Amino acid sequence: AQSVTQPDIHITVSEGASLELRCNYSYGATPYLFWYVQSPGQGLQLLLKYFSGDTLVQGIKGFEAEFKRSQSSFNLRKPSVHWSDAAEYFCAVGDGNTDKLIFGTGTRLQVFP
Amino acid sequence: NAGVMQNPRHLVRRRGQEARLRCSPMKGHSHVYWYRQLPEEGLKFMVYLQKENIIDESGMPKERFSAEFPKEGPSILRIQQVVRGDSAAYFCASSPETANYGYTFGSGTRLTVV
Repeated sequence: AQSVTQPDIHITVSEGASLELRCNYSYGATPYLFWYVQSPGQGLQLLLKYFSGDTLVQGIKGFEAEFKRSQSSFNLRKPSVHWSDAAEYFCAVGDGNTDKLIFGTGTRLQVFP
Repeated sequence: NAGVMQNPRHLVRRRGQEARLRCSPMKGHSHVYWYRQLPEEGLKFMVYLQKENIIDESGMPKERFSAEFPKEGPSILRIQQVVRGDSAAYFCASSPETANYGYTFGSGTRLTVV
């Protein structure tokens, strides 16, 4: 069965610092991979997705993610974090048969000025 | 162009009461998904519906929970005889017919059972 692991529950960075959020997945075939962001009290907003092709994916708000099949990873990166990036970030994988998504438990990002 | 509308935003119910959560999909979207987010956890799939059909309810608890998406009107997630463990955020997402995971999420309904 598919699964998603986000090893970091909570990350704190200084504004302007670089960011990398880790995501590992378990899936037999080429996965459909997603990163979502959730601000407090809000729904989820899609940052980016990977289906196939170029393994480096550009998303909104300056985020990017790299699919590495050999490591079963899809880490999210941003070169310079802004205070407004403070939120919860979820990695998800699509099961390939239906439109159902399997989510990781999330990483809470805190940004210090 | 309104997004996915969920209401109410917050719902408080006493143990044993019924909770009804509504989701109006985006215009032109015919697929609806419900997810539940327990405190400190990620979202867990509950049910996938198309108009008048339940496509996949593999994530729905076997008892007390039901969902519908009628021909007219919003999708409804119904929880009968709520218990404290039902307290969670319930998110609805919608997508067009050929979605390929092209979800749009609503802002959720936060259910508190007291």
